[in-house]
Amino acid sequence: KQEVTQIPAALSVPEGENLVLNCSFTDSAIYNLQWFRQDPGKGLTSLLLIQSSQREQTSGRLNASLDKSSGRSTLYIAASQPGDSATYLCAGITSGTYKYIFGTGTRLKVLA
Amino acid sequence: DAGVIQSPRHEVTEMGQEVTLRCKPISGHNSLFWYRQTMMRGLELLIYFNNNVPIDDSGMPEDRFSAKMPNASFSTLKIQPSEPRDSAVYFCASSPAVGGSGANVLTFGAGSRLTVL
Repeated sequence: KQEVTQIPAALSVPEGENLVLNCSFTDSAIYNLQWFRQDPGKGLTSLLLIQSSQREQTSGRLNASLDKSSGRSTLYIAASQPGDSATYLCAGITSGTYKYIFGTGTRLKVLA
Repeated sequence: DAGVIQSPRHEVTEMGQEVTLRCKPISGHNSLFWYRQTMMRGLELLIYFNNNVPIDDSGMPEDRFSAKMPNASFSTLKIQPSEPRDSAVYFCASSPAVGGSGANVLTFGAGSRLTVL
């Protein structure tokens, strides 16, 4: 059974810092991987999608990479801002299945 | 497109009552997913459909839970009878296609917050 771990579980940093959030899968045969953001009491917003043929994706200050050999993904946030405060979740589809399995999330707080 | 639309946004009911949650996926999306989110268990996949057909319901916790997708634009998740431990936020999500091929972006609705007293 696929399990997804995100480290750290919570993070509090001053504004302007560069951050790295980690995600690891027990089954490394990941097809697609998505990173999401969830604000308190809200739904999930897709940030980045890494397709099966790709190794990383970038959008603005965000960069996500996927190492398929190890089943690990990282989300890099450059020059963090208070508006980045939210919970970040990774989710992946394992080869042979068709369902996104979610990680436990990282709660990020960026202090002004 | 208005995105994935869920209703109701909030539901408070008493134990034993029937609860029906509704979802309208994004037009043209072939896959629909129901997730449940709690503080203790995080985001759990309950069931997903492809082209209106249930593909995997292994995440449905008990026979009290059932889901249907009578057409491409509508799905329901029903709990009968409801219990306090069913209290959670239930999310519906849709994607263009099942599987890992292509830009298979998963788009979520705003969720239905269920409280069972």
